[in-house]
Amino acid sequence: GENVGLHLPTLSVQEGDNSIINCAYSNSASDYFIWYKQESGKGPQFIIDIRSNMDKRQGQRVTVLLNKTVKHLSLQIAATQPGDSAVYFCAEASRYTGGFKTIFGAGTRLFVKA
Amino acid sequence: EAGVAQSPRYKIIEKRQSVAFWCNPISGHATLYWYQQILGQGPKLLIQFQNNGVVDDSQLPKDRFSAERLKGVDSTLKIQPAKLEDSAVYLCASNLAGGLSGELFFGEGSRLTVL
Repeated sequence: GENVGLHLPTLSVQEGDNSIINCAYSNSASDYFIWYKQESGKGPQFIIDIRSNMDKRQGQRVTVLLNKTVKHLSLQIAATQPGDSAVYFCAEASRYTGGFKTIFGAGTRLFVKA
Repeated sequence: EAGVAQSPRYKIIEKRQSVAFWCNPISGHATLYWYQQILGQGPKLLIQFQNNGVVDDSQLPKDRFSAERLKGVDSTLKIQPAKLEDSAVYLCASNLAGGLSGELFFGEGSRLTVL
């Protein structure tokens, strides 16, 4: 069945360093792959997405890489800040008539050390 | 622009009792989702509405969970009777039906503790 999973449950980085969060997916038919950030006591918040026909997309301090050959997705955060401490989820979205169905992975908790 | 509103934020009940959660999506968002998030896990889709119609409820435990979106705007999710394993955060999300990527806008969630 559909499954979106993560390689590492926790990641600890030094403030100012770059962070790389990885994700493995199984549904090759997904249209979009999305990263969400969830802070304690809040709902997930959209960070960045990538279409399935792309392999890289950059945002502000974040880059998402998609490797369809090995079904791997990664989120790179440049110059990690204390405010980046949160749980990060990858998700895959499949289009249906009128909308999308989104499946989430288990999440990686990012700790930023000052 | 107002975000997705959910209430109550917290609820504690005993097993076999009932509970209801309410969600008001962002204005104009035709699609509404209810997710269940158990501690330490990713959100799991329970039900998805397009306007007032159900698109997907394949993972909704229909013997105890029900949800409705009668007028295609706000929605309620009910659990009756509750079990211990229903302890979780119930997240409501919405998005535009014709959105480009399916970006979901989440509320802050309703945390349920079943004793």
